[in-house]
Amino acid sequence: QLQLQESGPGLVKPSETLSLTCTVSGDSISSVNTVTHYWAWIRQPPGKGLEWVGSFYYGGSTYYNSSLKSRVTISVDASEKQFYLRLDSVTAADTAVYFCAGSDGVEFDFWGPGTLVTVSS
Amino acid sequence: QSALTQPPSASGSPGQSVTISCAGTSSDVGAYDYVSWYQQHPGKAPKLIIYEVNQRPSGVPDRFSGSKSGDTASLTVSGLQAEDEAAYYCCSYAGRNSFVFGTGTKVAVL
Repeated sequence: QLQLQESGPGLVKPSETLSLTCTVSGDSISSVNTVTHYWAWIRQPPGKGLEWVGSFYYGGSTYYNSSLKSRVTISVDASEKQFYLRLDSVTAADTAVYFCAGSDGVEFDFWGPGTLVTVSS
Repeated sequence: QSALTQPPSASGSPGQSVTISCAGTSSDVGAYDYVSWYQQHPGKAPKLIIYEVNQRPSGVPDRFSGSKSGDTASLTVSGLQAEDEAAYYCCSYAGRNSFVFGTGTKVAVL
């Protein structure tokens, strides 16, 4: 069983960059850069539904929600078992609970508890 | 990518069944057998309860079942229990390594 934990600032100013880290732990995985799993960021504005932000696959392939594609970057530090989310030029609409998730199939099997990021001056 | 359409709410008495629909298109739900369902209690992370349309992860009660017909998937919760009161979200693979979630349904156990 894998455990995921998000971390990062809870408050970001408008027009600045949101940066989050997801740390993966568990005996079944030695690196997030693995063919057996892929990783994703999913967000949920307060009181609203879930939105897929993007995913990272083995070898460095990344895929993003088309509505965010120009502003989002997902990257990985395999040696530290962490992956990252960067969202540029944020606005109040980016205020949400951000979840990191992992998958060994075509679904999101493992989730972090989530972290609330508020965009406000 | 437009969100999949779910009814905002559903309800049932303990022991009854409730079915939640998830309407997509021929580009997502209708194109792939990769529909998953998540249960989310307030303030908690979503939990996977159904994957690949009708498969249950280990530990998920068989009261939860999934199906699909055309562009619409469904989740049925049989023998409703108080702990089933939560929000439920469907999710579909939408091609090109992308995913789309449903709008969410809040289930109340009366």
